[in-house]
Amino acid sequence: GAGVSQTPSNKVTEKGKYVELRCDPISGHTALYWYRQSLGQGPEFLIYFQGTGAADDSGLPNDRFFAVRPEGSVSTLKIQRTERGDSAVYLCASSLPGGNEQFFGPGTRLTVL
Amino acid sequence: DAKTTQPPSMDCAEGRAANLPCNHSTISGNEYVYWYRQIHSQGPQYIIHGLKNNETNEMASLIITEDRKSSTLILPHATLRDTAVYYCIVKQTNFGNEKLTFGTGTRLTIIP
Repeated sequence: GAGVSQTPSNKVTEKGKYVELRCDPISGHTALYWYRQSLGQGPEFLIYFQGTGAADDSGLPNDRFFAVRPEGSVSTLKIQRTERGDSAVYLCASSLPGGNEQFFGPGTRLTVL
Repeated sequence: DAKTTQPPSMDCAEGRAANLPCNHSTISGNEYVYWYRQIHSQGPQYIIHGLKNNETNEMASLIITEDRKSSTLILPHATLRDTAVYYCIVKQTNFGNEKLTFGTGTRLTIIP
């Protein structure tokens, strides 16, 4: 079956612009996670949804970052007033409720010039 | 979640067993040991997890010491496709605490 998909695969933007990154989880997976990964580092947790609600948003670095999952399936990570330090690979993962395994997408590489 | 310590890099000859160590000396009694790997330019992939007993699946074996302060991931017959960064993660599995806390992992290179 289809895995987690993320679009776009690459996004180049200018400092100060707004960007949206999309994640399509595996069908039936109620849990969805966002992570970001800087070069040479492991992924860093951002936010976790259970259904439509954010169960844990403790990893969002500041109020420029926001994520939604209005229908409990597709999620969008929104970054306002992008900064060069936001450049990273943004990873999305999904899992069954209480599942032991998180299934990751290929990521979106964001470059802020 | 408990912190883990892994060597930054390791090499292993193709066809041999790759043994990747992980220290987690501050692990709590209800925390599990998980292993994920990340092949270049891909998202992380789940490998295996365990609580205190040794575990084996089609990908690997996980050996956890009796005091649970360390563990070893074993890839029994390494192939070139096993070249990746391997992450050892300690986490609780109770509902409401589902995030993975990655360290910097071990970069495993399989040598032909």
